[in-house]
Amino acid sequence: TQLLEQSPQFLSIQEGENLTVYCNSSSVFSSLQWYRQEPGEGPVLLVTVVTGGEVKKLKRLTFQFGDARKDSSLHITAAQPGDTGLYLCAGAWVGDYKLSFGAGTTVTVRA
Amino acid sequence: KAGVTQTPRYLIKTRGQQVTLSCSPISGHRSVSWYQQTPGQGLQFLFEYFSETQRNKGNFPGRFSGRQFSNSRSEMNVSTLELGDSALYLCASSSSVRAGGSYEQYFGPGTRLTVT
Repeated sequence: TQLLEQSPQFLSIQEGENLTVYCNSSSVFSSLQWYRQEPGEGPVLLVTVVTGGEVKKLKRLTFQFGDARKDSSLHITAAQPGDTGLYLCAGAWVGDYKLSFGAGTTVTVRA
Repeated sequence: KAGVTQTPRYLIKTRGQQVTLSCSPISGHRSVSWYQQTPGQGLQFLFEYFSETQRNKGNFPGRFSGRQFSNSRSEMNVSTLELGDSALYLCASSSSVRAGGSYEQYFGPGTRLTVT
């Protein structure tokens, strides 16, 4: 059984602090996507990573794909209240294009 | 470009009834996927339609069904509603181009279904 695990489940930090969210699997991903979901809305795609070791930056967000393509991380620098939301990783395992979603990390940034 | 739209946004139904949810994808997207999101189970894949054909199916009972029309609009139907069907139902569309091994999903705002 292929599992996709996210950690931590909850994260509450003060504005200006940094945070990191992790996404792990025992199987190799062909690609991995990160989404952010705000209350009452659908998830919004932030980034897709494809190549092992790949690093992508989106303003204060940095996404990293592990060399072995089994894990990924999302790092937010100097978090702002607008970063509050549910962060979801979604991976497609090698040989299957269907996405499996992690349980998500609820991030709260206090002003 | 207009985003994915879902109707209705909120719905309250009674156990045993049936419900139909509607989704209009982004113009030009031919794939529509449906997901169920609950606090306990997270986001779970229901099924995907591409060019009016079901291309993939998740592990949900036969009470959950869907269809897609020639204009790519999709509907999802749940028959004989149970209390456990209360959830946010999300529709996502994607283009025919893969990013790596998968298709990027563009989600609608969801339909919040409450079964009493």
